[in-house]
Amino acid sequence: QKEVEQDPGPLSVPEGAIVSLNCTYSNSAFQYFMWYRQYSRKGPELLMYTYSSGNKEDGRFTAQVDKSSKYISLFIRDSQPSDSATYLCAMSGQAGTALIFGKGTTLSVSS
Amino acid sequence: GAVVSQHPSRVICKSGTSVKIECRSLDFQATTMFWYRQFPKQSLMLMATSNEGSKATYEQGVEKDKFLINHASLTLSTLTVTSAHPEDSSFYICSANDGRRSEETQYFGPGTRLLVL
Repeated sequence: QKEVEQDPGPLSVPEGAIVSLNCTYSNSAFQYFMWYRQYSRKGPELLMYTYSSGNKEDGRFTAQVDKSSKYISLFIRDSQPSDSATYLCAMSGQAGTALIFGKGTTLSVSS
Repeated sequence: GAVVSQHPSRVICKSGTSVKIECRSLDFQATTMFWYRQFPKQSLMLMATSNEGSKATYEQGVEKDKFLINHASLTLSTLTVTSAHPEDSSFYICSANDGRRSEETQYFGPGTRLLVL
């Protein structure tokens, strides 16, 4: 079993839809959780950061962490064509250490 | 957010040559930087952890003599791919922690696309 599992998609939705992206993990020591957005041939861009369990909202984006289920989610409201990208979940157990990434989910939002 | 740059953004070289990639933190100091590699349609895989003033820590399966890492200052880490071969063709990305921030986040460079002919 991989440490971080993420459905690679692709996921196609119409503009304005609510998008739900998810990752599961096996290492209970993970406590730092991040979502990155990566456009083709570019470096990942940090979208959301969450420490331990809970929810965090930033504009159209909401990140949720459920440590008891080892499950994290990213919700995108009112999706836009510009949201079309690959979304990577990432996590770590200790401050200052490298991140463990999911495989990434490719999202396509059509206008 | 914090800014990390990489140079070059793209390089094409002949098999057997060496290629140096630079990673710079532009507005913060980074005692630790990370080097990742990403193959097409794959996720980022950690290659090594670069520590300022000390030897890098390599992940299992990554040849330290082939991928030379130097972290000579708090804002610069370099990755040199020695005697590159076509199988080394990949997208190389560095990241760094901004220690000024209370959040434990890493900022990534724009990546370097290496093509070995």
